[in-house]
Parts: sequence; C-alpha cells; structure tokens
Amino acid sequence: SQQGEEDPQALSIQEGENATMNCSYKTSINNLQWYRQNSGRGLVHLILIRSNEREKHSGRLRVTLDTSKKSSSLLITASRAADTASYFCAPTYIGFKTIFGAGTRLFVKA
Amino acid sequence: DTEVTQTPKHLVMGMTNKKSLKCEQHMGHRAMYWYKQKAKKPPELMFVYSYEKLSINESVPSRFSPECPNSSLLNLHLHALQPEDSALYLCASSQEPGEGYTFGSGTRLTVV
Repeated sequence: SQQGEEDPQALSIQEGENATMNCSYKTSINNLQWYRQNSGRGLVHLILIRSNEREKHSGRLRVTLDTSKKSSSLLITASRAADTASYFCAPTYIGFKTIFGAGTRLFVKA
Repeated sequence: DTEVTQTPKHLVMGMTNKKSLKCEQHMGHRAMYWYKQKAKKPPELMFVYSYEKLSINESVPSRFSPECPNSSLLNLHLHALQPEDSALYLCASSQEPGEGYTFGSGTRLTVV
C-alpha cells in the first residue's frame, strides 16, 4: 500500500497555541497536499507543495517537505476553535495517484 | 461556479438494486475522481478520469462502474452491492490531474 502515516493520530490544544502534524510517505512523489475535513463530510484543500519545494506558507499555515526523509509537516499557528477538524496529508505519486494518509484529529479548546 | 455537486446526498439500496451516483462540476477542470470513505478512515481512491478517459482503476470490484459522459459529468453506476460497500462516496475534480482537488459533499450510501 502507498498509504502514508501521520502522527499524532489525535491532538488537543488550547486556542492560540500552535499545532504541528507530521506525515511520512513511501515512494517518490510529484507533490504533497494537505486537506481538512469537518464532521466526516466535505474535504477542503489547504495547501500543495511540489517535490522541488522545501517550504510553503498560506495564511496561518506553514508546510515543509523533506524528500530525502520522505516526510512533511503542517504547522497551524495561533489556532482557533474553528480549526477543530481532521487533517489529512495526501501525497500524489507518479501517475497522479493521490493517496490520503490516516489523518490527524485536531481539537482546539476555546 | 466553484463547486462540485453530488446527487443524491443519501441513498439506501438493496443488494439486488441498480442505482447511479452523479457528480457535476462547471469549473472547466480536466480531471475527476471517485473516492470511498468509511467512518473514521481516510478517503480511498477508486477511479481517476483525466481528459474524460479512465486513467486509474484502483482494483475496484466490477459492481462499481464509472462513466464520464463529458468533461463536466462523472457517474458511478452501482449494481449488486454488498452491505460492506456502505460508505460515503466522494467525487472530486481538479484543474490538472493530481493537483488541488475540489471535493463534493458526498453521497452517503447504505446497502441493506
């Protein structure tokens, strides 16, 4: 299976704190994407980082990619209660296969 | 229009029924996808259409049959499903294959 792994599986923090989630994948990728899902329903694309990029920012999100270690991390700064959701990393492999990791459940306490 | 629309939102079907799920996008996206998601699990890739041609079938059983009638529409035909096929079926599209998916809100399927 090409499914990567994410850690932690669950994370509980206070509002205003930073949240960091990590993702590892198996083989060479074209890009790696992060998605958020609320209440087991709609998935929302957050950010995409290409295999030749090392870091990318979007608002309060910062993503890093280390292709030598086959790993990525997502940092959410100054978290809010509305950030409570499941976060999935999704590497896209050769042939445009995007495979979702197991996900991290983030709970932000107000 | 920046949405992917899936119908129906809920579907209950018997194991001998034939039904279809429908997905529509009007963003001019060139790739469309079907994913299956069980409760508390990540979405699992089923099919990828690129420029209206099936490019990936992730060893999905033949009781699931995808169809892409045109660049805006994607269907998933269901026949003789099993109770374990009950899940949330998600459709997505992207401007380019493998990049930045817009997901629909899904069809929650229950097989009885």
